Amino acid sequence: GAVVSQHPSRVICKSGTSVKIECRSLDFQATTMFWYRQFPKQSLMLMATSNEGSKATYEQGVEKDKFLINHASLTLSTLTVTSAHPEDSSFYICSAGYFRDRGTYEQYFGPGTRLTVT
Amino acid sequence: RKEVEQDPGPFNVPEGATVAFNCTYSNSASQSFFWYRQDCRKEPKLLMSVYSSGNEDGRFTAQLNRASQYISLLIRDSKLSDSATYLCVVNYAAGNKLTFGGGTRVLVKP
Repeated sequence: GAVVSQHPSRVICKSGTSVKIECRSLDFQATTMFWYRQFPKQSLMLMATSNEGSKATYEQGVEKDKFLINHASLTLSTLTVTSAHPEDSSFYICSAGYFRDRGTYEQYFGPGTRLTVT
Repeated sequence: RKEVEQDPGPFNVPEGATVAFNCTYSNSASQSFFWYRQDCRKEPKLLMSVYSSGNEDGRFTAQLNRASQYISLLIRDSKLSDSATYLCVVNYAAGNKLTFGGGTRVLVKP
């Protein structure tokens, strides 16, 4: 399978500050990456689709001005949580994928970033 | 109704036994199906894609029933390391977006 890295793995910040999370595809190029959020004991929820060289596509209910996404290269997407508040504390996970031999698009996840806003 | 539904479990399984569980999906236009496993406080890891013909990978067998809109996962000869939450994942939208079930928790005990 493919390898996706994410940095940092854990961050604690104060309310009102901004936090940047990086997602990299290490052994393949990804024109599309995805950002998810997972609260304790809940399913992963897709936040946005990050497209290389163009604007991200946000899911309904996700504030694009609060969660800034930049996909500047085929191997790097960043998510910036602006003016973070305690309710933004969550597990943020990115994914990237590619089409396999049977035509199925398989996604691989980064190790996640655990954000705690105090 | 949730788009992808799973029995949350937990399924308590004796080591060496076989366990199977299903997942139902509501959108008949669903195109691709997957099983991921997620360990506590970790990211999901792709276990296997599920094809119409069914597929097997070692002790794991997945099947797809499009008519009844469900997929299944069977684990044979369960190991302690199989303890995890198994996520049923469906891709039905353009743009390769995934929809996740809530997960089925499996606990393998000695």
